Formats: sequence, structure tokens, C-alpha cells
Amino acid sequence: DTGVSQNPRHKITKRGQNVTFRCDPISEHNRLYWYRQTLGQGPEFLTYFQNEAQLEKSRLLSDRFSAERPKGSFSTLEIQRTEQGDSAMYLCASSPYGGAQYNEQFFGPGTRLTVL
Amino acid sequence: AQKVTQAQTEISVVEKEDVTLDCVYETRDTTYYLFWYKQPPSGELVFLIRRNSFDEQNEISGRYSWNFQKSTSSFNFTITASQVVDSAVYFCALSELDSGYALNFGKGTSLLVTP
Repeated sequence: DTGVSQNPRHKITKRGQNVTFRCDPISEHNRLYWYRQTLGQGPEFLTYFQNEAQLEKSRLLSDRFSAERPKGSFSTLEIQRTEQGDSAMYLCASSPYGGAQYNEQFFGPGTRLTVL
Repeated sequence: AQKVTQAQTEISVVEKEDVTLDCVYETRDTTYYLFWYKQPPSGELVFLIRRNSFDEQNEISGRYSWNFQKSTSSFNFTITASQVVDSAVYFCALSELDSGYALNFGKGTSLLVTP
């Protein structure tokens, strides 16, 4: 399978706990994006990386959220001290920078987070 | 402010009818991209099409067609002879240089095709 993969697919946690999600992009894609989608809404941009550099962060990304892409390959998104409002689907997408598919973002299946 | 507006929240059609999903966008960039994605009940977003701001040619792919009009800032999507498998939520999205080409999605249109 050469698509974007995300783990875990589902996560249930108690309020106040920390959680970490992982995204493995398509191997030749150097841009990686994180989005959050709540029920009945479109995905909302959180942050993106070009290789290992985090270039943009949305105002939605509070101090409790941190993302890394240490070697320019997979990425992790950590949420500290989770709140019930963090319950959502967290989506990862990757895209090439350049070439015929420039800027086409391909999405993973998402990680559904439920905070009790 | 919402940069992408999908005014139709839900549409219900009977199989074989044609249906058009509307999308209106707002940007100050001269270089931008527009997208349509499909999100079936399984949840995974499926890429359908990308258009750049310099290419206003309409596109047809099988039963799908797209009408891009810069004069009205619209990028509408038509499904011809709809099928039950077309039932999904469809999102229009805009990406701009200023935001690193991150996707700015509309709220989506839920399409239900009944037999």
C-alpha cells in the first residue's frame, strides 16, 4: 500500500491525558499537512511541514498541540492535557512539491479521537 | 471569514438524475488552486480534481464535469446520471500561496442518491 497511513485509527482517552498520533506520508511527498474535522464540518487546517521544517501553524493549534517531522518522513501530532473539545477526526495529507501532481493533497484514513 | 462557500447543505436526487454542486470562493491571490474531494460514508477523503487559477477550461471525466468561472468566483461540479454510489459528502477547497497551499475547505454538500 503506497497511500498515506495513520495510526491509530481510533483513540479513546480520558480528559487530561496526553495522546500522540502518527502519520506516514506517501514516500516521495515532501509536504505533510495535518487537519482536524469535527462532525458535519469540513476539515480545518492545523499545520504543515516541508521536509522536516514546520512552516505554518493555524491559530487552531493551541499550546497543547505539538507536531514534529524529525527526519522529513513520518510525522507525529501530540495533544497534551486533552479536553472534550479535542474530540474530532485528525487527518493527515501529503503532497509533492513540484511535478505534475504539484499541490495535490492525498489524505490518510484519519485518527478518530474521543475524549471522555 | 469563510473563503469557500457551499450553499447547499444537503441534496437528495433519484438515481439517473443530473445534479450540480455549487462552490463559490474568495481570494486576493492571483495564483491559487481549487479542488473537489469526495468523502463517502467510510470517511476517507478522495481527491477528484485540481484546477489552477490560470486554467479556466472546463473538464469532463466520465459522468463528472467541472465548470470554473473566475468572473463569478465559482467552481461548480456536475454529476450526470447519478448513481447510488455517488452518495457522499462533497467538499470544495481553495489553496493559496499565502497559506502555504494549505486547503481551505467549504462545509460540504451531502448528496443522497436514492434508487
